[in-house]
Amino acid sequence: GAGVSQSPRYKVAKRGQDVALRCDPISGHVSLFWYQQALGQGPEFLTYFQNEAQLDKSGLPSDRFFAERPEGSVSTLKIQRTQQEDSAVYLCASSLEGVTYEQYFGPGTRLTVT
Amino acid sequence: SQQGEEDPQALSIQEGENATMNCSYKTSINNLQWYRQNSGRGLVHLILIRSNEREKHSGRLRVTLDTSKKSSSLLITASRAADTASYFCATVETGGFKTIFGAGTRLFVKA
Repeated sequence: GAGVSQSPRYKVAKRGQDVALRCDPISGHVSLFWYQQALGQGPEFLTYFQNEAQLDKSGLPSDRFFAERPEGSVSTLKIQRTQQEDSAVYLCASSLEGVTYEQYFGPGTRLTVT
Repeated sequence: SQQGEEDPQALSIQEGENATMNCSYKTSINNLQWYRQNSGRGLVHLILIRSNEREKHSGRLRVTLDTSKKSSSLLITASRAADTASYFCATVETGGFKTIFGAGTRLFVKA
């Protein structure tokens, strides 16, 4: 594909449900990032992968959040027992090499927890 | 909050005018990047300036970086209605992996 894709684009979950958000980065991109963006705010870093290695997960808000990238390409962000405060847009980005390169963003997944 | 600081929070100008927005950050960095986000659309990379550069140009964009003050500015010249968007700066601490975005400047260009 030409760019970063994310699915689903929209997700409505009842409080307490588990959700899984998928990111397909640009082919060949080593680095992959997940962000959470609240309305009217800038993206907040969640986690960073270099290939399949999760090198920084310091931004994950709680142990209900889990991310993986098992084969160094597609990544999944899983949120267990969703809470209303988890409602946000979740953005995925990839870059060719490390963190000092420009990042290409996907369209995001808008998660609404009711 | 993890976020850096940007000012102004919002800016409204007439088409053809210049727009300047500022960003401050807190740590030593390798580079600073600016991104644009249109309403309802994804973030798009605009320009990257390395820590050993003081000024960089790309089309109608001019970015400056002052590492002694830990600040950067983005100037958009001859603005167009299509420049209406939110603009964010982003930094990564030297040796780290976490990308820190500012809270953004919301630019509105009136036709």
